[in-house]
Amino acid sequence: QVQLQESGPGLVKPSESLSLTCTVSGGSISTFNWWSWVRQPPGKGLEWLGEIYHSGNTNYNQSLKSRVTISADKSKNQFSLRLSSVTVADTAVYYCARVARNGLDIWGQGTLVSVSS
Amino acid sequence: QSALTQPASVSGSPGQSITISCTGTNSDVGGHNYVSWYQQHPGKAPKFMIFEVSNRASGVSNRFSGSKSGNTASLTISGLQAEDEADYYCSSYTSSSALLFGGGTKLTVL
Repeated sequence: QVQLQESGPGLVKPSESLSLTCTVSGGSISTFNWWSWVRQPPGKGLEWLGEIYHSGNTNYNQSLKSRVTISADKSKNQFSLRLSSVTVADTAVYYCARVARNGLDIWGQGTLVSVSS
Repeated sequence: QSALTQPASVSGSPGQSITISCTGTNSDVGGHNYVSWYQQHPGKAPKFMIFEVSNRASGVSNRFSGSKSGNTASLTISGLQAEDEADYYCSSYTSSSALLFGGGTKLTVL
């Protein structure tokens, strides 16, 4: 079955960019699905960051739109997140997830990214 | 756009039923049937429970059910069990193709 796995640095300095990759196994990202990023600050709720279709079409959280970029690499069966100009407030567990049935049906295990100097 | 509104906490005794509400607007919850519910245990990724208001995801117990009236969606858990103790989140796509989450509800099984 389809599985998702996030990867990337666990520590990022303030004002730098955060970059994460989600590797999809057991299936192709070139299906009739969108692929999404969600984050969860420690002890807080879920926040949707955005989503991408394999064609490259994207939708973003408007409150973060100027800092978020989501891209896809069909050859590697991966999609990625870049968040620029990070601050301490961007410290969170970052999840990638598959969009299906108008919800997020398959999630990665999540990866903690801390922003600190 | 603001998050959907959920109660911060609910509680119930084993065997009882509880309901968690999720209130939005005509642009999200009330505008279509794209409401989902997720269960999250501490330190774990969210689990897809309910989609499109009232459909159970694969493998989800029939003790979990969803409904909607106007701008408010609800998740009902019947026959509460200790393993149901978790955080629950609702989500809804909006008319502008954004996904909104609720603030989350902590369920305590007494």
